[in-house]
Amino acid sequence: QKEVEQDPGPLSVPEGAIVSLNCTYSNSAFQYFMWYRQYSRKGPELLMYTYSSGNKEDGRFTAQVDKSSKYISLFIRDSQPSDSATYLCAMSGITQGGSEKLVFGKGTKLTVNP
Amino acid sequence: EAQVTQNPRYLITVTGKKLTVTCSQNMNHEYMSWYRQDPGLGLRQIYYSMNVEVTDKGDVPEGYKVSRKEKRNFPLILESPSPNQTSLYFCASSWGGFNEKLFFGSGTQLSVL
Repeated sequence: QKEVEQDPGPLSVPEGAIVSLNCTYSNSAFQYFMWYRQYSRKGPELLMYTYSSGNKEDGRFTAQVDKSSKYISLFIRDSQPSDSATYLCAMSGITQGGSEKLVFGKGTKLTVNP
Repeated sequence: EAQVTQNPRYLITVTGKKLTVTCSQNMNHEYMSWYRQDPGLGLRQIYYSMNVEVTDKGDVPEGYKVSRKEKRNFPLILESPSPNQTSLYFCASSWGGFNEKLFFGSGTQLSVL
């Protein structure tokens, strides 16, 4: 089983839609959960950061972590064309090999159509 | 402006010709790392450094070298590049490690012919 699984999409939605992006993971030791946004030909930038379980809201973005199900989500409300990007989930902690590191999902490509 | 600067942005080379991709950050960050990004494989860590003179292997270190002689610089060295190292490379830095917010450079697109 892969440490982090993320549906690559692509996902295409109309402007104003609610977008749900998800990742599952296998290592129960992961404690820090992040979402990065990557525009085409740019480096990733941190969008949301959550420690352990729970919800975090920042404007139109909400991150949810369910450690019991090993499932994290990012919701985008009132999506805009400027939200069109690839969204990478990431989590950190102790891996199956015993080392401490950060693991990224493969990314979901989102297009918001005007 | 706080930033991570990578150079060059694009690089085309031939098999076996040594090359260096530079990375510099102006935020006095302790932690720096290198990633490669490939379609279908996502971001994979090559090497990271927790401080000056301290480096460690990531997931895919084969064929790469790094050094951390100064806090701000973390060059990636390919001693003998091969076509399977054709990829998009990112340098990143943070205050205290991978649990902190990572600042990424703009990337280096490398093609090895």
